[in-house]
Amino acid sequence: QSVLTQPPSASGTPGQRVTISCSGSSSNIGSNYVYWYQQLPGTAPKLLIYRNNQRPSGVPDRFSGSKSGTSASLAISGLRSEDEAYYHCAVWDGSLSGRVLFGGGTKLTVL
Amino acid sequence: EVQVVESGGGLVQPGGSLRLSCAASGFTFSSYWMTWVRQAPGKGLEWVANIKQDGSEKYYVDSVKGRFTISRDNAKNSLYLQMNSLTAEDTAVYSCARTWSGYLSGWFDPWGQGTLVTVSS
Repeated sequence: QSVLTQPPSASGTPGQRVTISCSGSSSNIGSNYVYWYQQLPGTAPKLLIYRNNQRPSGVPDRFSGSKSGTSASLAISGLRSEDEAYYHCAVWDGSLSGRVLFGGGTKLTVL
Repeated sequence: EVQVVESGGGLVQPGGSLRLSCAASGFTFSSYWMTWVRQAPGKGLEWVANIKQDGSEKYYVDSVKGRFTISRDNAKNSLYLQMNSLTAEDTAVYSCARTWSGYLSGWFDPWGQGTLVTVSS
């Protein structure tokens, strides 16, 4: 079970707005940047959001990230069929020996 | 094109060893931390290890400490993961990734497609 908690699944219809949450603690999300990755079926993860809310070039502005306290969220507006994928949050955890934590991943289904 | 490509995966018996490689191109390899991440079948992502630009600092997830060794050869633009005393729990796709903003970071871009390691008798 991941220290970072994500819902295992989410869904929406085309055009809808969906959000995916990532819950952690003061030693990780509460004190470090959060990153989001999109993993399409059979492909490598792709950076979607860095430093909580920044989009790399090429990522549509339909994708946005936010953070509040020990939780973070990824929002996808104007949902499209090609958004169907797994979404993973990641953050450095400063407790004990330190490590990067990933959430368990959320499977987004576009209905 | 900026890319990383892994190789070296395969089937290995419990207790065996394997060495993974990651070939980097399209960027100044020696300027970046590099990281190995794995994904067991049907499971989420797990950070495995990372290494500083000059190889002087290395960090590992607790479950592989003492068994895995990360290394790099900047002259060959290559990253490695030596895996010893393998168990079934190490079965996963292993990916390498360029790491931004130092070791205190979950910022990985790009990732390779990964190489599958299967530990089974």
